[in-house]
Amino acid sequence: KAGVTQTPRYLIKTRGQQVTLSCSPISGHRSVSWYQQTPGQGLQFLFEYFSETQRNKGNFPGRFSGRQFSNSRSEMNVSTLELGDSALYLCASSLVAGQTQYFGPGTRLLVL
Amino acid sequence: KNEVEQSPQNLTAQEGEFITINCSYSVGISALHWLQQHPGGGIVSLFMLSSGKKKHGRLIATINIQEKHSSLHITASHPRDSAVYICAVRGVTGNQFYFGTGTSLTVIP
Repeated sequence: KAGVTQTPRYLIKTRGQQVTLSCSPISGHRSVSWYQQTPGQGLQFLFEYFSETQRNKGNFPGRFSGRQFSNSRSEMNVSTLELGDSALYLCASSLVAGQTQYFGPGTRLLVL
Repeated sequence: KNEVEQSPQNLTAQEGEFITINCSYSVGISALHWLQQHPGGGIVSLFMLSSGKKKHGRLIATINIQEKHSSLHITASHPRDSAVYICAVRGVTGNQFYFGTGTSLTVIP
């Protein structure tokens, strides 16, 4: 089975722009979670989706949003980018919510 | 206030040594995860625990729910075990994930 894939792998944007990141889970997995990792804050939970519904959300501003499609693929969007949004964004999938997660390679976002 | 605390932050060991990484948490949890992250960013889930003990090869993870504490042990450590080990918990309130800051392990041949 193919693993979790994330696109793009690297991205450079400027302040004020918006960005959309994509995650394709392992085939058959219906739960997708997103995380942000920075050197200063470490790993932080963004949101979790199951069957196209957002199950829960971390403590991030409304500029961070996401969605899940009927094929379980997920996207996250960050609007009005700030320098502090520079981070590694990781996606993880599991069969159902609460089970072992399988992580993608991440998208490294640099905001200039 | 961090919901998850890990110790030590950094650890250097000689090949073959027995290693222990500790994790304490302050919230009610439904599960605790141990993650491994190699340089370059890739994360692998090592264990998911809600009680007791699990073993996989040279790795052993234990959890004491009453004491809100978990340990990850590596027996006969090897240079390929060099990585950052992260403890994460899924809280019962709001189903959020909380992460420790990680333990950077270096195993010297």
